[in-house]
Amino acid sequence: EMQLVASGGGLVQPGGSLRLSCAASGFSFSNYWMSWVRQAPGKGLEWVANMNQDGRQKYYVDSVEGRFSISRDNGKNSLYLQMSSLRAEDTAVYHCARGGSHDFSLWGQGTLVTVSS
Amino acid sequence: DVVMTQSPLSPPVTLGQPASISCRSSQSLLHSNGNTYFNWFQQRPGQSPRRLIYEVSNRDSGVPDRFSGSGSGTDFTLKISKVEAEDVGVYYCMQGTHWPPTFGQGTRLDIK
Repeated sequence: EMQLVASGGGLVQPGGSLRLSCAASGFSFSNYWMSWVRQAPGKGLEWVANMNQDGRQKYYVDSVEGRFSISRDNGKNSLYLQMSSLRAEDTAVYHCARGGSHDFSLWGQGTLVTVSS
Repeated sequence: DVVMTQSPLSPPVTLGQPASISCRSSQSLLHSNGNTYFNWFQQRPGQSPRRLIYEVSNRDSGVPDRFSGSGSGTDFTLKISKVEAEDVGVYYCMQGTHWPPTFGQGTRLDIK
């Protein structure tokens, strides 16, 4: 079964940092672009960042540029999102998703990040 | 950024009856390579999104054939031929033709 499992969320103070992880299984992880998509409480979906298969291309939504960093380890079938200088408006469920920009064919269950003092 | 506008936001739906959701983009979604990167996602309560339809009208594996997608350019539609109880949730359209990828605001499907 193809699966993405995100982890690493939690409560963090404004200005703090957090690292999210996403473990992939059931498909050839190294063959795919991967993305992070977030969903603020009760709100819609917002693409956050993506990375190509070998990790050399990475892109971010303007609001997180310079604060978030996406990375991957193909040997561990894992995707990561290092988040720093967190703000209240970053509070959301963060989903990892298979795909770069044309579409997102598989989604993980998401991990909740709450930025609050 | 391309703005995706869905309507209606919360249609009245009856079990066994058809339902339709529209999505309009602020720019044509026809890519220079001839493809149209427009997708529909379903998010059931408490679950992550799931892709239903890709490139306008292609159903994903396991998606019931009561779901169909159509449209072109800037106007797209998701139709459910006969709504079932398991169809409750929020439906999102998404474009992947222009950078960055953007989603509609979501349409909540509740059974009357």
